[in-house]
Amino acid sequence: ETGVTQTPRHLVMGMTNKKSLKCEQHLGHNAMYWYKQSAKKPLELMFVYNFKEQTENNSVPSRFSPECPNSSHLFLHLHTLQPEDSALYLCASSPWLAGYDEQFFGPGTRLTVL
Amino acid sequence: EDQVTQSPEALRLQEGESSSLNCSYTVSGLRGLFWYRQDPGKGPEFLFTLYSAGEEKEKERLKATLTKKESFLHITAPKPEDSATYLCAVQAWGGSEKLVFGKGTKLTVNP
Repeated sequence: ETGVTQTPRHLVMGMTNKKSLKCEQHLGHNAMYWYKQSAKKPLELMFVYNFKEQTENNSVPSRFSPECPNSSHLFLHLHTLQPEDSALYLCASSPWLAGYDEQFFGPGTRLTVL
Repeated sequence: EDQVTQSPEALRLQEGESSSLNCSYTVSGLRGLFWYRQDPGKGPEFLFTLYSAGEEKEKERLKATLTKKESFLHITAPKPEDSATYLCAVQAWGGSEKLVFGKGTKLTVNP
């Protein structure tokens, strides 16, 4: 595997379900990010992790719970979601948490909440 | 609050027909402006970073330029494989590493 991988690629869940999204980066990077991409809206940063420590929570509802066990893996735990949470969830990584580094994105998980 | 506005929302070109995409921004202090390309069903792919007004960068048929208020992505003699959504993002000085994205321009190049 190379780059940034995300599983599952598609997920359909009910409002009472609990599920998790997984992201893995094979680039040796130290910073990882979760983004939400909704139709007709800009990409929206959710969480930032640097060396496994959360450095930013962009006012995300508590029904989204991130976990970063090491610099290569990032999870997004989901529970009691709402239909408006349906979106493409993108994971990204960068070498350092520094302004000049490009971010490398995974292919995303397309989430549908019924 | 930092803001990014991209225009047009959608652009349809014939193969070989050159054009430009616009990214207007307001930011407290620009640290960097980023251009990404996103294909359907995929994550964004990095194209360029511009740091200061007057800077230009090129890659194949794409050329990005930057002024104090906006950035342009010029596409010269586009091909159908250039069809994608092009995203612009800014990052400000001030401690946060947050990228603020625009909504993107969906480019379609017809053969």
